[in-house]
Amino acid sequence: KNEVEQSPQNLTAQEGEFITINCSYSVGISALHWLQQHPGGGIVSLFMLSSGKKKHGRLIATINIQEKHSSLHITASHPRDSAVYICAAIPSYNTDKLIFGTGTRLQVFP
Amino acid sequence: GAVVSQHPSRVICKSGTSVKIECRSLDFQATTMFWYRQFPKQSLMLMATSNEGSKATYEQGVEKDKFLINHASLTLSTLTVTSAHPEDSSFYICSARAGRAIETYQPQHFGDGTRLSIL
Repeated sequence: KNEVEQSPQNLTAQEGEFITINCSYSVGISALHWLQQHPGGGIVSLFMLSSGKKKHGRLIATINIQEKHSSLHITASHPRDSAVYICAAIPSYNTDKLIFGTGTRLQVFP
Repeated sequence: GAVVSQHPSRVICKSGTSVKIECRSLDFQATTMFWYRQFPKQSLMLMATSNEGSKATYEQGVEKDKFLINHASLTLSTLTVTSAHPEDSSFYICSARAGRAIETYQPQHFGDGTRLSIL
């Protein structure tokens, strides 16, 4: 079993829909990244959080440390949000590491 | 802020060629840089971690003589794939992190990656 699990693996949505991507982890963490990988391969760090909730534009990330679970929400989704979304945990035992989830491939259709 | 530039974005070359990939932090000092490899539809796999002025720490199974990493300054790290062969074809991506704080984790900032194709 992977230390970081993401669901769903693939997600399609119509423009305007509310999107939720889930991430569960089984290790103690210092923090958790949400990353966006575009079709060309470049990766953008969307959030890094260790507690509570963060919001940036239409993106919201939450984390529940007790339940070892994080979610990424996209409100009013748009075709330009189409990408692979990856959660990556920074384990407490080695903060030089990132333990990556398998990614969620999101396609938003107009 | 926190921009990481990786160059080149794409390389196509013949088997036996050595290829150098550069990773620069443009607006911050990167104490630590990371090199990852990614196969199609798979997660990133950490190859090595380098701290400025020190030898890189390679992950198990990564040949250090094959993948030479240099981190000579706080803004530049290079990965050289020596005598590249078709099996080295992959997507390579670097990331950079400021500081070496233990109490406050600094995030990794990623480059746009280099797609390497060896013919």
